[in-house]
Amino acid sequence: AQSVTQLGSHVSVSEGALVLLRCNYSSSVPPYLFWYVQYPNQGLQLLLKYTSAATLVKGINDFEAEFKKSETSFHLTKPSAHMSDAAEYFCAVSDRGQFYFGTGTSLTVIP
Amino acid sequence: KAGVTQTPRYLIKTRGQQVTLSCSPISGHRSVSWYQQTPGQGLQFLFEYFSETQRNKGNFPGRFSGRQFSNSRSEMNVSTLELGDSALYLCASSSQTSVGTDTQYFGPGTRLTVL
Repeated sequence: AQSVTQLGSHVSVSEGALVLLRCNYSSSVPPYLFWYVQYPNQGLQLLLKYTSAATLVKGINDFEAEFKKSETSFHLTKPSAHMSDAAEYFCAVSDRGQFYFGTGTSLTVIP
Repeated sequence: KAGVTQTPRYLIKTRGQQVTLSCSPISGHRSVSWYQQTPGQGLQFLFEYFSETQRNKGNFPGRFSGRQFSNSRSEMNVSTLELGDSALYLCASSSQTSVGTDTQYFGPGTRLTVL
């Protein structure tokens, strides 16, 4: 079975600072990787997905993630944090149609 | 296209009762997955239905069951509710035109509280 590890259950950044949320996966074959965001009392919203077309994936709201096979990582970044980015972020891997989610990282943005 | 809808949004039950949650996927999507989300366990996969057949199943007791109808709408049922079943239940749909690459689109969830 696949597994996804998100380092840091809580991350705090100042408004305007770089956002870096870490995700590592375990997979012996090229995976399909996703980042989702969840706002309070809502479902998950897709930020971006990697499907082997390009290692640097751009998503909504200026988020992007880079697939690094050698490091089995798929870290999420955003150049400048905004107050509205405060939310829970989930990394996920898809293996034969079944999704495996990380435990989530709660992002706090400090004004 | 309308998104994934889930009803009801909030539910309060007592221990021992049973509950049925409903999910309507995005039009044209044939795969529906269910997840349980709790603060302690995170997102846990319950099961996935595709064209009315359960295709994948997570590690949950038999009290948790589901089904999918010919119009792809899905229901999940939890019998003999326990306090630990209190959670946000999320439904996700995907078109599954290519296994593994399709995105799952989530509904807003049903918040179940068991007293």
